[in-house]
Amino acid sequence: GESVGLHLPTLSVQEGDNSIINCAYSNSASDYFIWYKQESGKGPQFIIDIRSNMDKRQGQRVTVLLNKTVKHLSLQIAATQPGDSAVYFCAEKVKEYGNKLVFGAGTILRVKS
Amino acid sequence: NAGVMQNPRHLVRRRGQEARLRCSPMKGHSHVYWYRQLPEEGLKFMVYLQKENIIDESGMPKERFSAEFPKEGPSILRIQQVVRGDSAAYFCASSPSLEVYNEQFFGPGTRLTVL
Repeated sequence: GESVGLHLPTLSVQEGDNSIINCAYSNSASDYFIWYKQESGKGPQFIIDIRSNMDKRQGQRVTVLLNKTVKHLSLQIAATQPGDSAVYFCAEKVKEYGNKLVFGAGTILRVKS
Repeated sequence: NAGVMQNPRHLVRRRGQEARLRCSPMKGHSHVYWYRQLPEEGLKFMVYLQKENIIDESGMPKERFSAEFPKEGPSILRIQQVVRGDSAAYFCASSPSLEVYNEQFFGPGTRLTVL
């Protein structure tokens, strides 16, 4: 079965607010985590990644937090915009299992104007 | 620099026919991955290939499915005698090396519909 799962299937936020998308993973051996954004009819697009030896990583308007104690990953989007509306997936890699990514089920983010 | 290319974007087949999905990785990338996505689900790993080699096919069904990545030309995912349950979006990704921290770049996908 999947080792990565998401708490909330759909998240609706007002434009300009901050969004937080959560992800739980079960494999404590995971070395690398990635957040992808997928718009309708398109392939997943890389947003941000984090290695297992880090707790936090920031990008432009996005921050990923990793809590290895409780095996939890979150994606924070600041000042959410209509263009952020999409499905967001977390994915993990375990080095000893090779290069395959294990994806969670996804969270739909809807931004209301 | 063109991204990962996949074709066709949409493919319709009748039960029992064959489906061939093509993937051209990003320039300079020699590692290709195939994933399958059912509606409203996450992507599921199928197979990982390097040029002329299958590295990991643990996610690919043993029957009817095969993949190749020849020395020249695109990677091909081949599904023989398709069934309705094969209807899905098939995504290809590529990366430049074996490095575990390398991002995988995804193509736009091929949406297979089996009638």
